[in-house]
Amino acid sequence: SYVLTQAPAVSVAPGKTATITCGGNNIGTKSVHWYQQRPGQAPLLVIYDNDDRPSGIPERFSGSTSGNTATLTISRVEAGDEADYYCQVWDSIGDYVFGPGTQVTVL
Amino acid sequence: QVQLVQSGAEVRRPGASVRVSCKASGYTFTTFYIYWVRQAPGQGLEWMGRINTDSGGTNYGQKFQGRVTLTSDASITTAYMDLSRLRSDDTAVYYCARVDRGSPSSVTPLDNWGQGTLVSVSS
Repeated sequence: SYVLTQAPAVSVAPGKTATITCGGNNIGTKSVHWYQQRPGQAPLLVIYDNDDRPSGIPERFSGSTSGNTATLTISRVEAGDEADYYCQVWDSIGDYVFGPGTQVTVL
Repeated sequence: QVQLVQSGAEVRRPGASVRVSCKASGYTFTTFYIYWVRQAPGQGLEWMGRINTDSGGTNYGQKFQGRVTLTSDASITTAYMDLSRLRSDDTAVYYCARVDRGSPSSVTPLDNWGQGTLVSVSS
């Protein structure tokens, strides 16, 4: 089955930019979705289909894909952005595959 | 507004079964799949399966084949996840989420999630 990789943790100062990457074989050919999960809460969709934002998600959140890497970028990071972030794709055998998650800490 | 409201926490012994419900509101129930995803303590997200709420057709993750059964009742806009032969490593928070049936699965995200149901399995 398809495997996604993510760095376990990223730290960023308030007001700076957080870059969260998701690796997978030719992931640039897939549709990648990103979810934010704050402690004790359900996941929340923040980016879908590589670079689209659902209504209500700040413009500070953006996504891109290229080659074997998908990237979620959070600009002007705020304390409320502290959460786990998961990438997700659809596997050709029909499964929904999640990355292991990246914990974002705001310093 | 769209809401998926799940049933409350459950405690089970190993070998038992559990049913978790997911009540949908705020949209046309049969136009979205209901997916089930679980999260063990301190771990990541794991897809379990999905149900077509219009036809009742199901797809299950390989890991859960034979132990999980997904059903739905459109008359009360509720989906159910039954998990049998429980083990201690089934202890997790179980989430339902919806996916638009009108678009290919290859490009469609889980756009709304339930609040989660903690299932604890312990002797």
